Amino acid sequence: EIVMTQSPATLSVSPGERATLSCRASQSVSSNLAWYQQKPGQAPRLLIYDASTRATGIPARFSGSGSGTEFTLTISSLQSEDFAVYYCQQYNNWPPVTFGPGTKVDIK
Amino acid sequence: EVHLVESGGGLVQPGGSLRLSCAASGFTFSSYSMNWVRQAPGKGLEWVSYISIFSSTIYYADSVKGRFTISRDNAKNSLYLQINSLRAEDTAVYYCARGEYSSGSFDYWGQGTLVTVSS
Repeated sequence: EIVMTQSPATLSVSPGERATLSCRASQSVSSNLAWYQQKPGQAPRLLIYDASTRATGIPARFSGSGSGTEFTLTISSLQSEDFAVYYCQQYNNWPPVTFGPGTKVDIK
Repeated sequence: EVHLVESGGGLVQPGGSLRLSCAASGFTFSSYSMNWVRQAPGKGLEWVSYISIFSSTIYYADSVKGRFTISRDNAKNSLYLQINSLRAEDTAVYYCARGEYSSGSFDYWGQGTLVTVSS
């Protein structure tokens, strides 16, 4: 099973600033990686798939990069609605699909 | 607009059973694979099960294998999860999630249904 790790666990950012979230896989997942956003009491929402492709309706301020074992989600200018928990997910070697533990982005 | 609506959750005693349902609308259900993903209170996401479009391929997480059964009825646009021999550690919100057409990501999620296992 591929183990996903995310850093930092919590990221404190001021509105308008750039946020950079990291995700690492225990072995190569090629570009088969997705990012999700989850707000309290809500279901996760797909942001990025195939490491760098924005999902339908996702603003351009969200971008993904990386391949192999190292991935990054960048939010170029944080808006108030972006404060949430972000999860990465690999779907290269499955089952099982595996998720990272999440990074909470909160207001500085 | 894509909609996924789960139902069937509730409070159940250890060892008990429940059947979760997910009603799909707004897309051609029979053209998409489906998944169940769960989230224990205050915890992260855990994939539970996958079913292909014609139910020919089914996968389970090791933690639920032998206790959970996924199924679908394409004529009724519905996904199901039969959960048996429930344990306290199965307490979670259970989400149904559609498989994105070209990747293994999950592009639409329902709002979830809470399963609480407690005596």
